[in-house]
Amino acid sequence: EVQLVESGGGLVQPGGSLTLSCAASGFTFSSYSYNWVRQAPGKGLEWVSYISSSSSPIYYADSVKGRFTISRDNAKSSLFLQMNSLRDEDTAVYYCARDPPGAVIGVSFDYWGQGTLVTVSS
Amino acid sequence: DVVMTQSPLSLPVTLGQPASISCRSSQSLVYSDGNTYLNWFQQRPGQSPRRLIYKVSNRDPGVPDRFSGSGSGTDFTLKISRVEAEDVGVYYCMQGTRWPRTFGQGTKVEIK
Repeated sequence: EVQLVESGGGLVQPGGSLTLSCAASGFTFSSYSYNWVRQAPGKGLEWVSYISSSSSPIYYADSVKGRFTISRDNAKSSLFLQMNSLRDEDTAVYYCARDPPGAVIGVSFDYWGQGTLVTVSS
Repeated sequence: DVVMTQSPLSLPVTLGQPASISCRSSQSLVYSDGNTYLNWFQQRPGQSPRRLIYKVSNRDPGVPDRFSGSGSGTDFTLKISRVEAEDVGVYYCMQGTRWPRTFGQGTKVEIK
């Protein structure tokens, strides 16, 4: 069974840092590309970042570029999101979502994790 | 960025009746490989999103056949032939043809 399990969320002050993790199981992690998608409380979905199976290319939404860093560890079947200089507007549930193997432009988001809540507040 | 516009944003429906959600993109979603990367997602209350439809009209495994997707270019539709209680939630369209990937605002489906 495909599983994606996010962790690392919590309460952080504005300007602070946090690292999210997404642990994968039930499939060959290294063959797939991944995304982070967030959802502010009561709001819609916003794509945040993408990393390909080879770790290149990597893309970011303009709203997080320069502050967030996506990475992966194939040996540990894990995806990460390092978040720095956090702002109030980064408060959201963060989901990891898998892309099927294939081109950078293609079918996307076939499996999602359950999400982890990040709250940025003083 | 490609702007995805859904309508309506709220859709009260009677059980057993059909429902239709429109999604329009600000640019054509046809990619150079000839495919159109338009997905539909369902988010039930308190749950993670789940993909229902990919490449306009392809149902994901386990998705009931009462869900269907159609459209081309910039104009797309998700239809539910007969709404059931378990269909309550928010539905999002999303384009994967151009970076950044963008979602529609979401359409909340509720039972009258």
